[in-house]
Amino acid sequence: NAGVTQTPKFQVLKTGQSMTLQCAQDMNHNSMYWYRQDPGMGLRLIYYSASEGTTDKGEVPNGYNVSRLNKREFSLRLESAAPSQTSVYFCASSLGGQDAYTFGSGTRLTVV
Amino acid sequence: QKEVEQDPGPLSVPEGAIVSLNCTYSNSAFQYFMWYRQYSRKGPELLMYTYSSGNKEDGRFTAQVDKSSKYISLFIRDSQPSDSATYLCAMSADPYSGAGSYQLTFGKGTKLSVIP
Repeated sequence: NAGVTQTPKFQVLKTGQSMTLQCAQDMNHNSMYWYRQDPGMGLRLIYYSASEGTTDKGEVPNGYNVSRLNKREFSLRLESAAPSQTSVYFCASSLGGQDAYTFGSGTRLTVV
Repeated sequence: QKEVEQDPGPLSVPEGAIVSLNCTYSNSAFQYFMWYRQYSRKGPELLMYTYSSGNKEDGRFTAQVDKSSKYISLFIRDSQPSDSATYLCAMSADPYSGAGSYQLTFGKGTKLSVIP
């Protein structure tokens, strides 16, 4: 049982480049989330998908887009990367909104 | 005032000590309370999950919720070096009550070091 799988684990981008972070869960969870974690800032929600076919903005959505491809997969896209997007990105999933989250192992992104 | 406040530490204790980690919150609609543990360069993992007020015990870990004071605690007994990690509190309201947002609200985490 893999849980939540994120790819890639590490990435270095140049300013202005684009990339997509992939996330897949195998727990038949309904809800999926993308967070970024920065020193001193804690976990900040970028976007979430309460159920297949829906997506909503979180606390810090600017510069990002998401796609809930199906029940298992939720991707995060950076269209034009900026140094301020250097961070560790975590994908998470849960059965419902009040349920415990299962997190992936993270993607460490550096934008130079 | 932030919705969830958590002392960032760092907190350093000797092996075998009792550790107390705390969070305060302002949203009286919160009913689901969790503690996550995050090892360095890893994702958070669920440690404890409680609903409403009261205590819950799991091995060396005890979670307490005092809704009247808007205060939650995590106690670690007989702390071990393997407990060294960052501990995050998280909480949410009933998503169907209309009283809160759908997703969890996290504290910023307390970094704990247990010294052998």
